[in-house]
Amino acid sequence: ETGVTQTPRHLVMGMTNKKSLKCEQHLGHNAMYWYKQSAKKPLELMFVYNFKEQTENNSVPSRFSPECPNSSHLFLHLHTLQPEDSALYLCASSQDTDRGFEAFFGQGTRLTVV
Amino acid sequence: AQTVTQSQPEMSVQEAETVTLSCTYDTSESDYYLFWYKQPPSRQMILVIRQEAYKQQNATENRFSVNFQKAAKSFSLKISDSQLGDAAMYFCAYRRNYGGSQGNLIFGKGTKLSVKP
Repeated sequence: ETGVTQTPRHLVMGMTNKKSLKCEQHLGHNAMYWYKQSAKKPLELMFVYNFKEQTENNSVPSRFSPECPNSSHLFLHLHTLQPEDSALYLCASSQDTDRGFEAFFGQGTRLTVV
Repeated sequence: AQTVTQSQPEMSVQEAETVTLSCTYDTSESDYYLFWYKQPPSRQMILVIRQEAYKQQNATENRFSVNFQKAAKSFSLKISDSQLGDAAMYFCAYRRNYGGSQGNLIFGKGTKLSVKP
């Protein structure tokens, strides 16, 4: 049990499909994050939620739509993606966004857009 | 904007030997945190060690220690007595200590560490 669980682990979708990634944390944290990890690039922060409120959208295209219904769950809704969106999508949580609290990560969803 | 640079895409070490991974960062802040994360083939990022910028003493966690040089903006990770299970991608990360909601982690590109038996 990692504390942060992501489903599915792998996802293959066509460019016209709609799918959702799910993240759940059992750590009692208040902040949740979506990161994109592409080969040979630094992890890119996509979205930040703190106490269920979105506090940062890092210029992410609208084909990615986050949802945070409560502090324990975070979704990333996907629609009309492009092949360059293929990557590992990591969810993380932390106690808060302040004061250097460490982030705990899930195992990621490997997304392939065909 | 803050940046984190890891200049070694790949490193290799013999089992039981010591290896040092490099990290430099750029910031105008004085109060921040630095982290080393490990990402094994299972893909889950795991925190290895954390350093608070206002602490001069270098952080240590068992076989892992850092050399934090604040003036030089350098934060290297030393792994002693390397084990096969240490093989992974290692990411250096920076997070500013901010009173608002902007304390987001900024990562380097990572260093792939191989451990030879």
